[in-house]
Amino acid sequence: DVKVTQSSRYLVKRTGEKVFLECVQDMDHENMFWYRQDPGLGLRLIYFSYDVKMKEKGDIPEGYSVSREKKERFSLILESASTNQTSMYLCASRRTGTSGRKNEQFFGPGTRLTVL
Amino acid sequence: SQKIEQNSEALNIQEGKTATLTCNYTNYSPAYLQWYRQDPGRGPVFLLLIRENEKEKRKERLKVTFDTTLKQSLFHITASQPADSATYLCALAPAMSQAGTALIFGKGTTLSVSS
Repeated sequence: DVKVTQSSRYLVKRTGEKVFLECVQDMDHENMFWYRQDPGLGLRLIYFSYDVKMKEKGDIPEGYSVSREKKERFSLILESASTNQTSMYLCASRRTGTSGRKNEQFFGPGTRLTVL
Repeated sequence: SQKIEQNSEALNIQEGKTATLTCNYTNYSPAYLQWYRQDPGRGPVFLLLIRENEKEKRKERLKVTFDTTLKQSLFHITASQPADSATYLCALAPAMSQAGTALIFGKGTTLSVSS
């Protein structure tokens, strides 16, 4: 069964802390994504990666960085957490392809991050 | 600017009726469009994909249409049940979708089916 896992379901951090959110997929997908989801704003793309060590900024990269050292793992880093980064963070992966179900995107269960 | 809109934040219907959700987009020429279901506190789950050269796709009680002239997709759930209550997201892939591109998601429509 295909799976995207995230390191924590719930996380509470203090302002100014460095925060690491880890995501692992077991489907050998080339593409991996980090989103945040807030009420009324929908899913917003933070960063994505289409290959190991490759990254692209999404719509809201400010205050975040990412790392992809291995194909199966994509990490989101909050260098200095702030209260406005309190949100649900969702990781996803997707195979590169141009047809059919191969382009289905698989999401992790999400990490609810609270920054105090 | 490029936009994808689901024009209802919430939709309330009675059990047994057909739910119809709308997704409109501007300034894209998508290779395909997808629909996802999201339950509270969980990640979205893929439901259906429809390509630009397809008019309609069905899966059990679900039906999706895609009109590239109107730049619109309709998502139907027939004989709706309370268990269909969830948020439904549409997402499109820009034309020539390949490595290095991301899906663009609408904000979602929250469907409530009452018994």
